[in-house]
Amino acid sequence: GQNIDQPTEMTATEGAIVQINCTYQTSGFNGLFWYQQHAGEAPTFLSYNVLDGLEEKGRFSSFLSRSKGYSYLLLKELQMKDSASYLCAVMDSNYQLIWGAGTKLIIKP
Amino acid sequence: TAGITQAPTSQILAAGRSMTLRCTQDMRHNAMYWYRQDLGLGLRLIHYSNTAGTTGKGEVPDGYSVSRANTDDFPLTLASAVPSQTSVYFCASSDLGGTYNEQFFGPGTRLTVL
Repeated sequence: GQNIDQPTEMTATEGAIVQINCTYQTSGFNGLFWYQQHAGEAPTFLSYNVLDGLEEKGRFSSFLSRSKGYSYLLLKELQMKDSASYLCAVMDSNYQLIWGAGTKLIIKP
Repeated sequence: TAGITQAPTSQILAAGRSMTLRCTQDMRHNAMYWYRQDLGLGLRLIHYSNTAGTTGKGEVPDGYSVSRANTDDFPLTLASAVPSQTSVYFCASSDLGGTYNEQFFGPGTRLTVL
C-alpha cells in the first residue's frame, strides 16, 4: 500500500530551527511536496523536490533522499506566524498526490 | 485573479438530502480535484479530472459524483448525504505537465450532515 508518515505534533521556540521529517512508501515517485496549512485555511504550496538534495527558499529548506524514501522540511528563524500544520505529499505514478496526515507545529515565545 | 473559489463556505445539511458543492478556477488549469479533510487524516482524494470532459475516481469516491463540462468548473454532488460525509471539502487545480504540477487550493467548504 501507499503510506506517508510524519510526526503528529512538534513544538519549537521562536527564533529557533525545527526539522519536520517525512517518510514515504508509494507506487512510483514523481516528486515530493510540502504544503503549509494554517488553522481553518487552505493548504498553500511551500516546496517541491524531485531530485535528491536540498532545495532552499528563504527561511525554508526541503531535503529529499529517494533511496531512503525520506524528506525533511527545515524552518529557520522561527516566527510566531509559522505556527501551522505542515503537510507532506508524494506524487505517485498516476500523478496523483498521496498526503500525509500533517504535522502541527506549535511555536512558543 | 481570484484563483479558485468555492461555494458555499459552510453548510448544515439534513441526512438524505442532496447538495452540490461548487468550484470555479480562473487559472485555465487542465486538472481539478476534490478532497475531503478530516481530523487526524491526510487529505483524501474523492474525484479528479485531468481535462475537461473526463473524470476519475479517487481514494474515497462512494456517495459522490462530479462533472467537468468545461475547464473552469468542477462541481461535486452528494446525492443523499450521510453523517459520515461531515468534513471540510477542498477543491484544487493544477497545470498538469507544468514545471512543478503543484496544486492550488480553494478556501474550502465546511459541511455538517445531521
